[in-house]
Amino acid sequence: AQKVTQAQTEISVVEKEDVTLDCVYETRDTTYYLFWYKQPPSGELVFLIRRNSFDEQNEISGRYSWNFQKSTSSFNFTITASQVVDSAVYFCALIKTSGTYKYIFGTGTRLKVLA
Amino acid sequence: DSGVTQTPKHLITATGQRVTLRCSPRSGDLSVYWYQQSLDQGLQFLIQYYNGEERAKGNILERFSAQQFPDLHSELNLSSLELGDSALYFCASSEGQSFNYGYTFGSGTRLTVV
Repeated sequence: AQKVTQAQTEISVVEKEDVTLDCVYETRDTTYYLFWYKQPPSGELVFLIRRNSFDEQNEISGRYSWNFQKSTSSFNFTITASQVVDSAVYFCALIKTSGTYKYIFGTGTRLKVLA
Repeated sequence: DSGVTQTPKHLITATGQRVTLRCSPRSGDLSVYWYQQSLDQGLQFLIQYYNGEERAKGNILERFSAQQFPDLHSELNLSSLELGDSALYFCASSEGQSFNYGYTFGSGTRLTVV
């Protein structure tokens, strides 16, 4: 079965602190995709990153970085020097396309960045 | 403005009724995805269309249906509505049919069933 676990329900940090949001997934498939989305207080969803299972290269985009480790089935998201505008709910998702199609979201982590 | 347009923004209707939600994808995007976000179920993927054809199906109920028209806009039809269908419905669009593309989301339609 496929599963995505975001164990951190809510995290509060002070501005300029670094913060890591954890995402642990379960799947027996060798081919899958992992995503991160952001949902700011305004409510819209924003796509942040996609990674396929064959690409374990970490990625950095400005203050955002992602660490994909198949050995631990994790796809963690780090925000460096957090800002108040980073306050949002962040969702991790897994898509399995082989066999029965599955697209599973984690329950989200609410990040509060305090000024 | 993300380029993905969803209408209406808000909808209030009674149980048992039928509603249609509309999504116009970003210019040049051929895929449309529908998602539901509710307090009970969290975020769920419902269905994807690519260039008029159903491409992938998620947790879409039989009471729900969708289609994508030749001009690429998509409609999500929800029928025999129940209180539990109250949710925020998002659509997103992307250029291709696989998952190797970025996604752009609309601002959502908030459906309240009373």
